[in-house]
Amino acid sequence: NAGVTQTPKFQVLKTGQSMTLQCAQDMNHNSMYWYRQDPGMGLRLIYYSASEGTTDKGEVPNGYNVSRLNKREFSLRLESAAPSQTSVYFCASNGRRTDTQYFGPGTRLTVL
Amino acid sequence: RKEVEQDPGPFNVPEGATVAFNCTYSNSASQSFFWYRQDCRKEPKLLMSVYSSGNEDGRFTAQLNRASQYISLLIRDSKLSDSATYLCVVNMMNRDDKIIFGKGTRLHILP
Repeated sequence: NAGVTQTPKFQVLKTGQSMTLQCAQDMNHNSMYWYRQDPGMGLRLIYYSASEGTTDKGEVPNGYNVSRLNKREFSLRLESAAPSQTSVYFCASNGRRTDTQYFGPGTRLTVL
Repeated sequence: RKEVEQDPGPFNVPEGATVAFNCTYSNSASQSFFWYRQDCRKEPKLLMSVYSSGNEDGRFTAQLNRASQYISLLIRDSKLSDSATYLCVVNMMNRDDKIIFGKGTRLHILP
């Protein structure tokens, strides 16, 4: 099993550009999450999906949209990137909300 | 009071020593607790779950104190490879069902 995979690993955008971060898990997990991690700020939840077809806002959803197209995949879209969105983005999943989370390797995004 | 608080460190500890750090949480309704380890520029990985009875995994011991609302992590006979950031994670399991990550405690094991 690959676990949780994320693409791309690195990305540089110009202000105003759009892009989609992809995440997939092969563990048949119901719940999936998108976090961002900034120095000194810890992990902050952007959006999560408790099951296929449902999504909910986390702590810092502004400027992002998500799609849970099927059980495996949960994508994060930046419609108009801003320098404040420069961060490391982690996708995670778990089988139940009480379970531990498994993280992908992260996407390092720089917005110029 | 922040929902989950950790001493950011860094803790600089000589190899072979014992080190312990705590994490406090504010919501008494919290029900699940975990310690994660995060290496520099890597993703967080589960180190161990924390149970009410406490649990031990080799050199690592985790304990929960519900009355005082903190969890602890003890590392015995520390190794250079233990150098990392340790994240405390609390699952609220209330209506909002929030999972809160602490900002982490940095640990440096010195040769």
